This record gives sequence, structure tokens and C-alpha cells, in this order.
Amino acid sequence: EADIYQTPRYLVIGTGKKITLECSQTMGHDKMYWYQQDPGMELHLIHYSYGVNSTEKGDLSSESTVSRIRTEHFPLTLESARPSHTSQYLCASSPRGTSGSWNEQFFGPGTRLTVL
Amino acid sequence: KNQVEQSPQSLIILEGKNCTLQCNYTVSPFSNLRWYKQDTGRGPVSLTIMTFSENTKSNGRYTATLDADTKQSSLHITASQLSDSASYICVVSRLGGGSYIPTFGRGTSLIVHP
Repeated sequence: EADIYQTPRYLVIGTGKKITLECSQTMGHDKMYWYQQDPGMELHLIHYSYGVNSTEKGDLSSESTVSRIRTEHFPLTLESARPSHTSQYLCASSPRGTSGSWNEQFFGPGTRLTVL
Repeated sequence: KNQVEQSPQSLIILEGKNCTLQCNYTVSPFSNLRWYKQDTGRGPVSLTIMTFSENTKSNGRYTATLDADTKQSSLHITASQLSDSASYICVVSRLGGGSYIPTFGRGTSLIVHP
């Protein structure tokens, strides 16, 4: 079991609310990622970070923002939630390096977000 | 375009039976291919990783194959158990800018019935 945690696991909120999804890992990994996954669909990368103070946007356009002030913490924030943001959000981390076995990503349990 | 296609989309089998899941990809340049298992409501967990020079790798009852020439991989599950019910995701990575860039398939949803 990977040491990567996400809170909350489930969240139901109204339109227009500001929310922050938390992600923490205790493995000392440099790289962290946020994915969005709809039922039956592939994971889409929305943000990633290669280390402290590093954040990049992923392949899928997202209105969310992220920050990486500490190695272990990578929160995702939605300033004004909308029903189109309803989805599952998965956080992952991986260690530094280009060795084949090192690009394994360790995933958290996910946050299922519903915006009414 | 870098893509990963998985088939079938879903599969129902009886406990104890074997099954094979397929993954075709167009990711280039190829670096490695992973199969992940994702239980309902959980994050994916890596089952196997294969590089260009490997054509088979086992992890318990799971055996993955890779044909880099035809760009195909399969995941064979032997003597299925109820706990094998999950989504199986094929992820193919390419090396770009000094880092691995993964492309995810949509997964095959496997249901094992008693």
C-alpha cells in the first residue's frame, strides 16, 4: 500500500464554492501529479510538479490551480466550482530519475467530487 | 498521435477461469509499458512493467506479454478470483525532455462471478 493520502474522499458542494483537494505523500517523492478520471474513461493529467515551487499544466485544460510549497504536499484548488467539475480526482507521486522502474506512479485513493 | 487502445471494454467471467486483456498502442518513441489494476473507488496499483527488450513478465497469476514490433501487449489472468474484479489499465510511456510521459488507456473492466 502506497503512502499517499487524499482528503476528502467524497465531496458534494454547491456551484460557486471554493474548494481545495488535499494530497500528501510520505515517500519523499519529487514528482507529483493530479489526474481527472470520469467513469469508463482514461485518466487525464491536469497538473504536475517536479519538485518544490515547480508546477505545470497537464494535457487536459483545467480551471483548477495547484501549489507545491512542501515536497510532501500538493493541494488542488477550484476557485469557483461548477457542475462540469464533477469527476474523480486522483493524486499520484513518483520518485526522481529516468530508470525504467522509477516512473511507476503511486496513486492515492482519489476524491470523488460532485458539484450541484 | 500517441494513443493506447484497450479491448475488450468490459469482460465477465466465472471464478477459476482464465482471461486475456489486450492493449494496442501508437506511442512513440516507446520507453516502457505498465499494467495497472484499479479497484473500484481506489487509485491504480502497478502490476507489471515491460521495456522494449522484454516480451513476457509474470507477477503471480498475472502474466504480461509485449510485442514491440506490432505494438501490442496482453495481460493474462490465470485461475481468476473474485478479488480480480477491477479495471485494468494499460499505460505506455515515452521519454521526452528527460522525463517519462505516460499515455493511459481507458481500461478493461473485469467482473469475476462466483
